[in-house]
Amino acid sequence: DVKVTQSSRYLVKRTGEKVFLECVQDMDHENMFWYRQDPGLGLRLIYFSYDVKMKEKGDIPEGYSVSREKKERFSLILESASTNQTSMYLCASSLGVRTQPQHFGDGTRLSIL
Amino acid sequence: TQLLEQSPQFLSIQEGENLTVYCNSSSVFSSLQWYRQEPGEGPVLLVTVVTGGEVKKLKRLTFQFGDARKDSSLHITAAQPGDTGLYLCAGGDPASKLTFGTGTRLQVTL
Repeated sequence: DVKVTQSSRYLVKRTGEKVFLECVQDMDHENMFWYRQDPGLGLRLIYFSYDVKMKEKGDIPEGYSVSREKKERFSLILESASTNQTSMYLCASSLGVRTQPQHFGDGTRLSIL
Repeated sequence: TQLLEQSPQFLSIQEGENLTVYCNSSSVFSSLQWYRQEPGEGPVLLVTVVTGGEVKKLKRLTFQFGDARKDSSLHITAAQPGDTGLYLCAGGDPASKLTFGTGTRLQVTL
C-alpha cells in the first residue's frame, strides 16, 4: 500500500513565524500535492509538483511556497504565518497523469495564534 | 476554474436508511472519483467512473456518472454507522488537474 506521511498531526505557531510542513511518500510517485481543507470549501489546491525541482501554482498559492529536492519529499512553507492560514493541510501523491487517483496523508492541523 | 457542487452539505440519518448524495458541475469531466474521509484521516479513494452513464457498485454503495459526464451520484443502501464520514467527489480533466467538490458530511446513528 502507498504510504503518505505528514510530519506532524497538530502544530501551533505564532503570527509571523516561518512554518515548514513536510510530506514523504514511499511509492515513487511523480506527482505530489498540497491542499488546505476548510469547512464548506472542500479541498483547495495550494501547489503541486510533477517532478523533482518542478512546481506549479494551484488555486490558492498566495502566502505559500514549496520545495521538492527529492522525489519522495514535498515541503510546504508558510513564509510569514498569518491567522487566516489556520487550517487542515493535506498532502497527496499520485502516479502518471495529474488526474489519476490520489493517495493522501492524514493531515496536519495547523493553528496560527 | 471548474467547480463541483455537492449536495446536501450535511446529512444525518439513522442506521438502515437509504440516502443519495449528488455532485454537480457545469463542466464536462473525463473521469469522476469519489473519496471518503473519516475523522482524523485523509481521504481514501472509493471508486473512479470514466464513461457517461456508467454505474459501479461497491457492496452497499452505488455510484453513477451522468450521461453528459457533468454530474455524479452516490447512493448508499441500508446505511451503517461505519459509513459516517465526509464524502468528496473529484472531477478529472486531462488538460488540467483534479478538482474536488465541496463535500457531504454524513452522520449515521444507531
